[in-house]
Amino acid sequence: DQQVKQNSPSLSVQEGRISILNCDYTNSMFDYFLWYKKYPAEGPTFLISISSIKDKNEDGRFTVFLNKSAKHLSLHIVPSQPGDSAVYFCAARVQGGSEKLVFGKGTKLTVNP
Amino acid sequence: DADVTQTPRNRITKTGKRIMLECSQTKGHDRMYWYRQDPGLGLQLIYYSFDVKDINKGEISDGYSVSRQAQAKFSLSLESAIPNQTALYFCATSDRRRPGGLFGSGTRLTVV
Repeated sequence: DQQVKQNSPSLSVQEGRISILNCDYTNSMFDYFLWYKKYPAEGPTFLISISSIKDKNEDGRFTVFLNKSAKHLSLHIVPSQPGDSAVYFCAARVQGGSEKLVFGKGTKLTVNP
Repeated sequence: DADVTQTPRNRITKTGKRIMLECSQTKGHDRMYWYRQDPGLGLQLIYYSFDVKDINKGEISDGYSVSRQAQAKFSLSLESAIPNQTALYFCATSDRRRPGGLFGSGTRLTVV
């Protein structure tokens, strides 16, 4: 049973517009949620995270929103740039100190010039 | 040098062969991880280690073993490779102060 779900395999947006990537989770035993960006032939790169006790975290063009009641989080990229084109993974960290991460399947974002 | 280095980057091996994937890091992180990624899927945790004397199984440890030779080195072995172990393998490190950690560039393993 998949605990972290990214239901959109792909997303295409125009340069300068907002990109919204979504993620749902089913387990309440996560203490952090993270977003990673992955380019082809490279490993994932940590982008931004949010604690389970917060509802928003912002870092430059990237903002993550957490809706605990809906078990939903989203990553907003504003404005989107062609260099943002990549696969974005949502991940959730398991409580308890192991720092184990549970990953979603990823969403491929394409930002068109 | 990269913070997390994986070798080899690509490897083709035959069914039944033993193979080792190596990972080293320069960040001094105490936690190290091995993940596997299959096409169209997210990363799945194989093994993780908190220090040299601590090894823990992840979600999909069957068919794999690991060795934490030093704080900076964490290797993954396939004792007898099988075709469904064909995948992209990532090593990662982290420390408790900051979630997220660092990933290596991956090893693409093909078992024929």
